[in-house]
Amino acid sequence: GAVVSQHPSRVICKSGTSVKIECRSLDFQATTMFWYRQFPKKSLMLMATSNEGSKATYEQGVEKDKFLINHASLTLSTLTVTSAHPEDSSFYICSARTGSHYSNQPQHFGDGTRLSIL
Amino acid sequence: QKEVEQNSGPLSVPEGAIASLNCTYSDRGSQSFFWYRQYSGKSPELIMSIYSNGDKEDGRFTAQLNKASQYVSLLIRDSQPSDSATYLCVVILNTGGFKTIFGAGTRLFVKA
Repeated sequence: GAVVSQHPSRVICKSGTSVKIECRSLDFQATTMFWYRQFPKKSLMLMATSNEGSKATYEQGVEKDKFLINHASLTLSTLTVTSAHPEDSSFYICSARTGSHYSNQPQHFGDGTRLSIL
Repeated sequence: QKEVEQNSGPLSVPEGAIASLNCTYSDRGSQSFFWYRQYSGKSPELIMSIYSNGDKEDGRFTAQLNKASQYVSLLIRDSQPSDSATYLCVVILNTGGFKTIFGAGTRLFVKA
C-alpha cells in the first residue's frame, strides 16, 4: 500500500520551456503532498507543502511564480516549472501523506523526476 | 543545535556485520520517527517507523527508540552490499502542528 506515482521520470528540454510534473497517490487519499528538489550528493530540500483545495505553502527562498503547484484533488498534485533555465536542472521528488493536515504519518515518495534544461 | 542530527559517514562495515545508524533529536515533544533508505539517484523509501520506546523489528532491520535520551537508531543485521545507501532519520515534531524534519542522512557502505 501507499504507492505514489510521479511522472515523467525524466525530462530534457530547452531553456524557456515550462515543464509540468505530476504526482499521484494511487491507493490512498493524500490530503497533503510535498515537493522537494535534490542536487547531487546533497540533502533533500523542501520546496513547498501542498494541501488539497488550498494554496501551497512555499519555503523561504522558493519563488511561487516560478514553481506553480496545484493540488486539485486528493490524489493529484502538479508542479509546473515555468520558463525553466539551466539552473533549474535538478532532481524533483514529490511525496504524499495519509491522514489529515495535522498528521504524524510518514511521507511516501514518488520515484522522482530528473529535469535537465539545455 | 540541529533539530535532527545524524553522522554523515560514510559508515563502512563488512558484509555480514551489523550496521548501526544513530540519530538524535532536540524536541522532547517529538512523536513519530522514521527511517528512510535512499539509493544514489533515487528517491527515499520508507523502511521503518517507530512511535514508542523500545525496539521494533522487521526482518533484518531493528529500530530502537529512547525518548528519555532523545535518540533513535537503526540496526541492520547481516549487512549486504545492497544495503549500501544513505539512511535518513526523519522525526515529526509536535510544535502546535506536526512538522516533519529530515536528518541530513548517513551514508552506509557495505564491503563485499
